[in-house]
Amino acid sequence: NAGVTQTPKFQVLKTGQSMTLQCAQDMNHNSMYWYRQDPGMGLRLIYYSASEGTTDKGEVPNGYNVSRLNKREFSLRLESAAPSQTSVYFCASRLVYEQYFGPGTRLTVT
Amino acid sequence: GENVEQHPSTLSVQEGDSAVIKCTYSDSASNYFPWYKQELGKGPQLIIDIRSNVGEKKDQRIAVTLNKTAKHFSLHITETQPEDSAVYFCAASRSNDYKLSFGAGTTVTVRA
Repeated sequence: NAGVTQTPKFQVLKTGQSMTLQCAQDMNHNSMYWYRQDPGMGLRLIYYSASEGTTDKGEVPNGYNVSRLNKREFSLRLESAAPSQTSVYFCASRLVYEQYFGPGTRLTVT
Repeated sequence: GENVEQHPSTLSVQEGDSAVIKCTYSDSASNYFPWYKQELGKGPQLIIDIRSNVGEKKDQRIAVTLNKTAKHFSLHITETQPEDSAVYFCAASRSNDYKLSFGAGTTVTVRA
């Protein structure tokens, strides 16, 4: 039981490049979340998925898109990366109330 | 939307002493208040949570109190140990979707 896994662990992009952050959970949870964490700030919600096939914007969705491919996987896509998207990205999943977080992806946009 | 403020931003305590972190929230509809611990290079991990129908909850050395009228909640760690050194985050959400709004975090250092 791996819990929540995220790939890649680290990524460096140039401004304007695109990439997809992958997240998968093996706990059969319905709800999944994407957050970003910036220095000196708490985590901020980017997007949320209550169940397969549904997604909802969070606090900071601009510049991102998401796909809930199936119950296990929830991906986050940056279509045209900007330096302001340099951050650590965390995926989480939830069954009842506790959110379980993955180890994070550290993204740098130059 | 919800706004969560957390104080202090850093806290240094002697091993064995207590640590207290305080948070306030703005959305009166919030009814779920978790606390997360984050170690360096890892994702946050839930350590304790409380719902709005409860005023206090305790789990060994950790306790959380909630004052819904004043819209604030606190984390208390007693008999601190070196392994308690980490960043602690409070959060708040409504229980229909559990979309968490986080505080800015408190870096706790336990001095041996």
